Amino acid sequence: DTAVSQTPKYLVTQMGNDKSIKCEQNLGHDTMYWYKQDSKKFLKIMFSYNNKELIINETVPNRFSPKSPDKAHLNLHINSLELGDSAVYFCATEGYEKLFFGSGTQLSVL
Amino acid sequence: EDKVVQSPLSLVVHEGDTVTLNCSYEVTNFRSLLWYKQEKKAPTFLFMLTSSGIEKKSGRLSSILDKKELFSILNITATQTGDSAIYLCAGRRIQGAQKLVFGQGTRLTINP
Repeated sequence: DTAVSQTPKYLVTQMGNDKSIKCEQNLGHDTMYWYKQDSKKFLKIMFSYNNKELIINETVPNRFSPKSPDKAHLNLHINSLELGDSAVYFCATEGYEKLFFGSGTQLSVL
Repeated sequence: EDKVVQSPLSLVVHEGDTVTLNCSYEVTNFRSLLWYKQEKKAPTFLFMLTSSGIEKKSGRLSSILDKKELFSILNITATQTGDSAIYLCAGRRIQGAQKLVFGQGTRLTINP
């Protein structure tokens, strides 16, 4: 039973399309994150939600919109995809001062 | 601006060798330093260090923090091919919305 699960694992799409990535956690944690990992392996925070409320919105283009329908879910919707959006996107939850990561979604924009 | 710098960026050794990975940090309101191992997918937690000079151990892995010199090291003894991964270091703030600042990782390759 996976603690933090993301779907899809792989996403290949054309420039200009709109896509969504879903994240679900069964750890009961209040705080969830979206991170982007680029080709150089830097993990950068994009958004943070605490109990369905947006806490952090880093300098991310407004084409990216997170949505948290409930405490266990944090989805990421991306409009008008660009080549530079290609990366691995990780969902994570926070508990006991540690992050627990999902397995990532590899997004390739062609 | 807070930053975490890891070195080396890449390391290739033979099975059985001992390696030391470095992490230096400049994090305001510093609370703790965390190490993660990333193989193919999700980073998995290794250690959280809060106090200086107290070594944390897990099998062949160990880590220590120096809060005066603002760095941490991760040691792996008797390396195995399964240790091949990217090792990420992150500094955590006491306060602030973005609590974890990640370094760029060290890619460790263990050759048989």
